Amino acid sequence: SQQGEEDPQALSIQEGENATMNCSYKTSINNLQWYRQNSGRGLVHLILIRSNEREKHSGRLRVTLDTSKKSSSLLITASRAADTASYFCATGRGSNYKLTFGKGTLLTVNP
Amino acid sequence: GAVVSQHPSRVICKSGTSVKIECRSLDFQATTMFWYRQFPKQSLMLMATSNEGSKATYEQGVEKDKFLINHASLTLSTLTVTSAHPEDSSFYICSARAGAQGNYGYTFGSGTRLTVV
Repeated sequence: SQQGEEDPQALSIQEGENATMNCSYKTSINNLQWYRQNSGRGLVHLILIRSNEREKHSGRLRVTLDTSKKSSSLLITASRAADTASYFCATGRGSNYKLTFGKGTLLTVNP
Repeated sequence: GAVVSQHPSRVICKSGTSVKIECRSLDFQATTMFWYRQFPKQSLMLMATSNEGSKATYEQGVEKDKFLINHASLTLSTLTVTSAHPEDSSFYICSARAGAQGNYGYTFGSGTRLTVV
C-alpha cells in the first residue's frame, strides 16, 4: 500500500523561483528518499535522509525530516526548466529495505 | 556511479503471448532487485522482490504465475509477463541497491513500456 503522500500533486513555477514539495508517511521508517522521474523514464535518486537526521543538503536541494510529524519536505532552490519532472518520496523499512513510494508531485518550471 | 540496464525500453506484443524484461546491474552485484509497475500519471507499485538464488517474494495481489521472476545471477533479474492481456499494458521498472543497506539510494533501470494489443 502507498505510504507516502506528497503535496501538492502539481506545482507550476517560473524559472529562478524556489519549489517546495512535502511528503507525509504513516509508519516508522529507516530512511526517506527523494527521487525524480522525467516523463516516461526511470527514476533518479536525489537524496536520502536517515531517520536520525533532520536536514540534509545536496547542491540546490534541501531536505528536511520531522519524524514526530512523519513528514518531509524537498526544497529546490533557483529552479531551472530542466527541473521539470515528477518528484517522489519513498520510505525505506524492513530488513530488505523495500521502498514505498508516494503519489508524487509534478513540477513544471516555466522558462 | 551504479548503473542498472533495463531492456527492452519498449515492447508491443499480441494478447496471449509472453514478454521477458531484463534488468542488469552493470558495475555492481545486486543480491536483491525490485520490480515495480507504474500506470500513467501514477506512482510506482512494488510487485515483487527478486533475490539471487531463491524464489521471488511477491506483494499482495500480484499473481506469481502471471509475472515470473528469475534472479539467476548477482547481476541479472528477469520479469516475464506470461499470457499477456491488454490490462497488463503498463510501465515496468526494476531497481537495485548498490551500497550498504539504509545508506544509499536505489538505482533504477530506465523502464519498459509494455503495450499489449
